[in-house]
Amino acid sequence: EVQLLESGGGLVQPGGSLRLSCAASGFTFSHYAMNWVRQAPGKGLEWVSAVSGGGGTAHYADSVKGRFSISRDNSENTLYLQMSSLRAEDTALYYCAKGPGTAAVEIYFDSWGQGILVTVSS
Amino acid sequence: QVVLTQSPSASASLGASVKLTCTLSSGHSTYAIVWHQQQPEKGPRYLMKLKSDGSHMKGEGIPDRFSGSSSGAERYLTISSLQSEDEADYYCQTWGSGPHVVFGGGTKLTVL
Repeated sequence: EVQLLESGGGLVQPGGSLRLSCAASGFTFSHYAMNWVRQAPGKGLEWVSAVSGGGGTAHYADSVKGRFSISRDNSENTLYLQMSSLRAEDTALYYCAKGPGTAAVEIYFDSWGQGILVTVSS
Repeated sequence: QVVLTQSPSASASLGASVKLTCTLSSGHSTYAIVWHQQQPEKGPRYLMKLKSDGSHMKGEGIPDRFSGSSSGAERYLTISSLQSEDEADYYCQTWGSGPHVVFGGGTKLTVL
C-alpha cells in the first residue's frame, strides 16, 4: 500500500523559509515522479511542483518559480520542498502526491498524502 | 492554455445516480483528464484517468459504482447507487505542455 507522510509545516513570518518533507513507502520510490500540490483554506487544488524519478527534471508553477525548490533523496525515499521568500498567499495545506510514471511529463496524481499545513503570517 | 470548468455544486438522493461534468476549453477536446475525490477533512483520492474516447483507468479499490465517459469536450463522472460517503468535493485535472497543470474549480456533491 502506498503511503505518503508529510512533515515540516508550521507558522512562518512573511519573507521566511520552510522545508517540507514527504516520507514515501509501499512502492519503488525512484521509479516515480513526485509532486507537491497545495490547497488554500476553503479553496481548490493548485499544483506547485514536480520532480522526475531520478531527480534530474523539475517543474514549477509560475506562482512559486524562483522561490520554491523541489528535490528528492531516493536512498531515503523522501521528497522535499524548500520554500523561501514566503508570502501570505502561500498559506495552504501542502500535499505530497505520486505520479504515474518516472518522467514528469504526464503530470497527474495517483496517490496522495494527508497534507501538512503551512501558515505564513506575522 | 487549457482550462477546466465544473459546476460548483450538485445534489442527488441516497441510492440514486449522479453525473458530474468537467468541460475542457476550446481547442483542447482531445485531452485526457483525471478525476479526484476529496471527502471532508481528508486528502484527495485518485478515482480515474479518463481519455477522450471514454476509456478509463480506475485507481486501486475504487468501486464499480464510479464510472467515466466522454463526449466531445465534456468529461463525465457517474456515481451510481449513491452512498453517504460519496458526499465530497470532486475535482477534474489535466496537464499540457510547459508543463501547464490545471484543476477544475471542483464540484461539491451533496447526498440528500
